[in-house]
Amino acid sequence: GIQVEQSPPDLILQEGANSTLRCNFSDSVNNLQWFHQNPWGQLINLFYIPSGTKQNGRLSATTVATERYSLLYISSSQTTDSGVYFCAVEGDMRFGAGTRLTVKP
Amino acid sequence: NAGVTQTPKFRVLKTGQSMTLLCAQDMNHEYMYWYRQDPGMGLRLIHYSVGEGTTAKGEVPDGYNVSRLKKQNFLLGLESAAPSQTSVYFCASTLGNEQFFGPGTRLTVL
Repeated sequence: GIQVEQSPPDLILQEGANSTLRCNFSDSVNNLQWFHQNPWGQLINLFYIPSGTKQNGRLSATTVATERYSLLYISSSQTTDSGVYFCAVEGDMRFGAGTRLTVKP
Repeated sequence: NAGVTQTPKFRVLKTGQSMTLLCAQDMNHEYMYWYRQDPGMGLRLIHYSVGEGTTAKGEVPDGYNVSRLKKQNFLLGLESAAPSQTSVYFCASTLGNEQFFGPGTRLTVL
């Protein structure tokens, strides 16, 4: 099956800083999504982005399908951005191991 | 509109016991999924359903069974629980390309 790797595994930021999270996948995909799991365990869909660029407020994502990677950008980070960010690919939703983000006040 | 709900929220089982986890959604979604999440890992798909009366295996189906008798409900069964099935279980349903997740069920098998 498709392999999904996320980097970095852990990221600590000061409030207000920007960050870039990366997701690499081992084969062509028709479906890629980014999720946020908050410290209480709730999972929220952030983006459906098999290719191209999307933006939603302080978050944006870019997928370069031909080079098999996707990036999630977080600008002006806030403490509420803390949690784990996952990317997942394809119809059976193969998840990466996630990036744990901690934003300090 | 309750979204996706899961019952129970917590459960402790002894090895060999059986149980059923219930997922319910009130959004009329066709697709539903069961995942498990182990510490430090992403979610892994157990089984999924593309509509009432249909089910299919995911990445880690062994030791689990599912049923989708009604469109709004997706049941996950453990016939003979094992300690390796200690995990947090998430249910999700899909509208278009967006997945909506339930709050999770924390299961411990002793």
